[in-house]
Amino acid sequence: DIQMTQSPSTLSAFVGDRVTITCRASQSISSWLAWYQQKPGKAPKLLIYKASTLETGVPSRFSGSGSGTEFTLTISSLQPDDFATYYCQHYNSHSYTFGQGTKLEIK
Amino acid sequence: EVQLVQSGPDVKKPGESLRISCKGAGFSLTTYWINWVRQMPGKGLEWMGRIDPSDSDTNYSPSFQGHVTISADRSLSTAYLQWSSLRASDTAMYYCATGYFDSSAYYLLAYWGQGTLVIVSS
Repeated sequence: DIQMTQSPSTLSAFVGDRVTITCRASQSISSWLAWYQQKPGKAPKLLIYKASTLETGVPSRFSGSGSGTEFTLTISSLQPDDFATYYCQHYNSHSYTFGQGTKLEIK
Repeated sequence: EVQLVQSGPDVKKPGESLRISCKGAGFSLTTYWINWVRQMPGKGLEWMGRIDPSDSDTNYSPSFQGHVTISADRSLSTAYLQWSSLRASDTAMYYCATGYFDSSAYYLLAYWGQGTLVIVSS
C-alpha cells in the first residue's frame, strides 16, 4: 500500500508569510495528488488536484507542485482565514489515501 | 449546487447496530459516487469506501472491509453507512463525500457533507 507522509506536522507562521507544506509518497504516484483544507468542526475543502490544478473558487495564493513522490503546497501570503489543517491525498481508480495532516497555526 | 446532508449525531453502546445517512439535495444520486471518510477525535482523515448508487457497486478500504456496509437507495437519493456491532473505537466523525471525474477520469472528492458524530460508549 502507498503511504503518504506530510511535513511538518505543525507549522507556525505570521499573516503575510509564505509557507510550504511537503507531502511524500512511499512510491511514485505520478501527479495523482490532491490537497485539502480543514477548519475545526468543518468538513474538508478541496483546494488542489492533479498536484497543481486549482479547484474553482480557490484563491490564487494557493499553489501546488511536484510529481512522482514529492509534492508541495505553497501559500504565497498567509491570510487569517488560512490557519487550518491541510491534508494531502493520493487518489486512483479504486481508493484514496490521506497524509496525516499539517496544522498551520498563527505565530 | 451539489449538497450532501447527513443525519444527526448518535450515541450508542458497544455491540449495538447503527445506520447513518447522507442525502443528496438538488441532484440525482445516480450520477454521483458516494464515499465515506472517518475522522477519529483529534486525528486525520481515513477513506472507508464508496458506492456507485446507479448499480450499488461498492469498494471498501481493507481497513474497514467486513466491519461496515455501504448502501444506497436511489429513490430517496440517500446513501448509508451501517454497522451491525459497534465498538468503542468506532467513535468518530463520519463524512460522506462526492464529486466529479477530472480530465484523467479519476474521481475527485469535491463536495462533502457536514459530518455525523458517532459516539460509542458503555
